Amino acid sequence: DQQVKQNSPSLSVQEGRISILNCDYTNSMFDYFLWYKKYPAEGPTFLISISSIKDKNEDGRFTVFLNKSAKHLSLHIVPSQPGDSAVYFCAARIYGQNFVFGPGTRLSVLP
Amino acid sequence: SQTIHQWPATLVQPVGSPLSLECTVEGTSNPNLYWYRQAAGRGLQLLFYSIGIDQISSEVPQNLSASRPQDRQFILSSKKLLLSDSGFYLCAWSGYTGLDKETQYFGPGTRLLVL
Repeated sequence: DQQVKQNSPSLSVQEGRISILNCDYTNSMFDYFLWYKKYPAEGPTFLISISSIKDKNEDGRFTVFLNKSAKHLSLHIVPSQPGDSAVYFCAARIYGQNFVFGPGTRLSVLP
Repeated sequence: SQTIHQWPATLVQPVGSPLSLECTVEGTSNPNLYWYRQAAGRGLQLLFYSIGIDQISSEVPQNLSASRPQDRQFILSSKKLLLSDSGFYLCAWSGYTGLDKETQYFGPGTRLLVL
């Protein structure tokens, strides 16, 4: 049973436009969420996080939105750049437990 | 600052051969350490985690084992590799207290191909 889902395996966006990556979860006890970016043959790099007490967190071009009632979070990248092309993972955690990762979404930003 | 190292970067091994992948962390004490595997086209699967020396928890039954002989050293091993052990292996650490506990930081990974 997959607790963290990223239903879009891939996404293509034009350079300069907004990229929206989605993540859904099933466990309402999750209280902390992370987004990672991963290039091929490299380890994931931490991007941004959000606690369940917030509904939005922003860091430069990256904004994460959390909708607890819908058990949904999204990562917005504005404006998208070719260097953003990578696989994006969301991860969720119950306090005191290990993170659960989604399967990832491959983002392609087209020039 | 903290850094995490993994080696080797790439490994090609025959079926039935042993395996040893090493991970070390610098710049932090008493980290939680993790081994993940990413199979081709799939997400990150947690294999093992450790909260201290010789304290290892296994998340999934498998052909692999882990050891933590020193505070900042985490080793992934196998006595006999299977074809299904092929994948991209990632080591990660998280801080024990404070904000660092909230995030895991990953190493560069080891690509293992079992033939």
